[in-house]
Amino acid sequence: NAGVTQTPKFQVLKTGQSMTLQCAQDMNHNSMYWYRQDPGMGLRLIYYSASEGTTDKGEVPNGYNVSRLNKREFSLRLESAAPSQTSVYFCATRQARNTEAFFGQGTRLTVV
Amino acid sequence: KNEVEQSPQNLTAQEGEFITINCSYSVGISALHWLQQHPGGGIVSLFMLSSGKKKHGRLIATINIQEKHSSLHITASHPRDSAVYICAALSVWEYGNKLVFGAGTILRVKS
Repeated sequence: NAGVTQTPKFQVLKTGQSMTLQCAQDMNHNSMYWYRQDPGMGLRLIYYSASEGTTDKGEVPNGYNVSRLNKREFSLRLESAAPSQTSVYFCATRQARNTEAFFGQGTRLTVV
Repeated sequence: KNEVEQSPQNLTAQEGEFITINCSYSVGISALHWLQQHPGGGIVSLFMLSSGKKKHGRLIATINIQEKHSSLHITASHPRDSAVYICAALSVWEYGNKLVFGAGTILRVKS
């Protein structure tokens, strides 16, 4: 099993460009999450999806949108990238509330 | 003050040493995660615990709910243990619960 797969692994964007980060899981988990990781800070929640068909904002949603396409896939879109969005992005999944989280390999995004 | 604090921020050890990484939290939690991140790599869950102690190989995690403190111990450390170790508290949230992350401890084990 692949677990949680993120694509792409690396991306460089120019300011103002758009892109979509993809996340797919084969664990049949209900909940999916997008986090960003910045130096010296803990991971911060951007958006989450408690179940197929629902999405909600996390701590730092500005500049991002998400789509829960089906139970397997949860994408994160940057409509107009800014240098402040340079970060490492992680997708994670959980089956239910008090269960273990599983993470993807991360996407390293640089906005110049 | 962050809701989840880890110490130390950086740790260098010699191969074979016993290592302790500490995590203190100020939020009410239902469980606590210890995670490992290798340089340039993804994040892997090591433990999830809500009480007592768990052991997996050379790794031991303990938690004291009353004192709001958890520790991760590595016995007989090895250079392959070099990584960032992240503590994450599963705290109660209006939508259920959410993970609140510490900033991580960068561990380097020298041979």
